[in-house]
Amino acid sequence: LAKTTQPISMDSYEGQEVNITCSHNNIATNDYITWYQQFPSQGPRFIIQGYKTKVTNEVASLFIPADRKSSTLSLPRVSLSDTAVYYCLVGVMMDSSYKLIFGSGTRLLVRP
Amino acid sequence: DGGITQSPKYLFRKEGQNVTLSCEQNLNHDAMYWYRQDPGQGLRLIYYSQIVNDFQKGDIAEGYSVSREKKESFPLTVTSAQKNPTAFYLCASSVVSMNTEAFFGQGTRLTVV
Repeated sequence: LAKTTQPISMDSYEGQEVNITCSHNNIATNDYITWYQQFPSQGPRFIIQGYKTKVTNEVASLFIPADRKSSTLSLPRVSLSDTAVYYCLVGVMMDSSYKLIFGSGTRLLVRP
Repeated sequence: DGGITQSPKYLFRKEGQNVTLSCEQNLNHDAMYWYRQDPGQGLRLIYYSQIVNDFQKGDIAEGYSVSREKKESFPLTVTSAQKNPTAFYLCASSVVSMNTEAFFGQGTRLTVV
């Protein structure tokens, strides 16, 4: 499984755009990149997923460069309710099994 | 209403006792997972299962056991061999594919008293 590296924490203010970058130098050819959001005392929830270039949905955008060794989650105009932990996951296959391995994530604090 | 349900939400256990956490899904997912989360930390994989009657150890399986007798159910037993069981436990399920999305339950907070 590709190891991922994310910043431990980030601060922002309401209305700003937030970009969280994840490094995954050992990403495999078939690996997808998936981001999850977790609020305190809740299970993570899926935000966005991509394989290459750019993906956009109603809550976020995901930018993936051509070499796919990193990805950037972009949250437009954050609000206080976007304060959460954001996890980047890369790949699900290991030893012929499907495993979802979460790292430590990035703690985003949105200030008023 | 499709989803994944964990119960109970809060659980208290005396030292030396085994306790079983329930996880049920009606999403028809083949894969199911159990994670442990300690305060301020990420999720660590305890056990996972890709198919009924088969499961594999994750990174921190010692002191835990699971069963997968039905596709919908993946209970986790925290045994007395788990020396530090107080934690937040999360169950998830997904389809088995490269671009899978995992669905999580609301978690069970276990406290040893």
